[in-house]
Amino acid sequence: EAQVTQNPRYLITVTGKKLTVTCSQNMNHEYMSWYRQDPGLGLRQIYYSMNVEVTDKGDVPEGYKVSRKEKRNFPLILESPSPNQTSLYFCASSFGGGNEQYFGPGTRLTVT
Amino acid sequence: GENVEQHPSTLSVQEGDSAVIKCTYSDSASNYFPWYKQELGKGPQLIIDIRSNVGEKKDQRIAVTLNKTAKHFSLHITETQPEDSAVYFCAAYHPGGTSYGKLTFGQGTILTVHP
Repeated sequence: EAQVTQNPRYLITVTGKKLTVTCSQNMNHEYMSWYRQDPGLGLRQIYYSMNVEVTDKGDVPEGYKVSRKEKRNFPLILESPSPNQTSLYFCASSFGGGNEQYFGPGTRLTVT
Repeated sequence: GENVEQHPSTLSVQEGDSAVIKCTYSDSASNYFPWYKQELGKGPQLIIDIRSNVGEKKDQRIAVTLNKTAKHFSLHITETQPEDSAVYFCAAYHPGGTSYGKLTFGQGTILTVHP
């Protein structure tokens, strides 16, 4: 089954404790991205990757890191989480920004 | 950069009525306009899309219209059903100077269909 998986689905952590949210896709997509969803703000892009070892900032990259060492995986790293990073996070993949994006199920992160 | 405005933020209709959600975009170079539906606890899923060389596209009860001159596009859902209740997002894709460009989303519309 073609899908994007994210782990964990729910995470509660404390300020400053490094965490990683994993994302994996099995559709051989070159393009992957991370979004955060906040009420009234829609989906805002954090980072995206056009292919292995090629990443770039989206609209809200501050406080986040990513890596793309393999085509199927695109982890999101929060090295020192803060409460303003409490949000619902989605990973997505596609054959390019101008094509259908396939979204993962989401990760709800709470930083206290 | 591209800016996408979506209205209304919430929409409540009776089952069987029509629902219309509108979006405007700022950059005339944007050329791809998808609509996503997000059900509770799930990720967004593409329901319909339109490219800039087309003015209207229909798929059963849903349709999208695009007015490039005015830079706005709309989602139309006819004969609404309770299972249409969800959050809907519009988006605009700007090709930019790279082969992948940028997709910008609207703020979302919470649609509630009352039985």
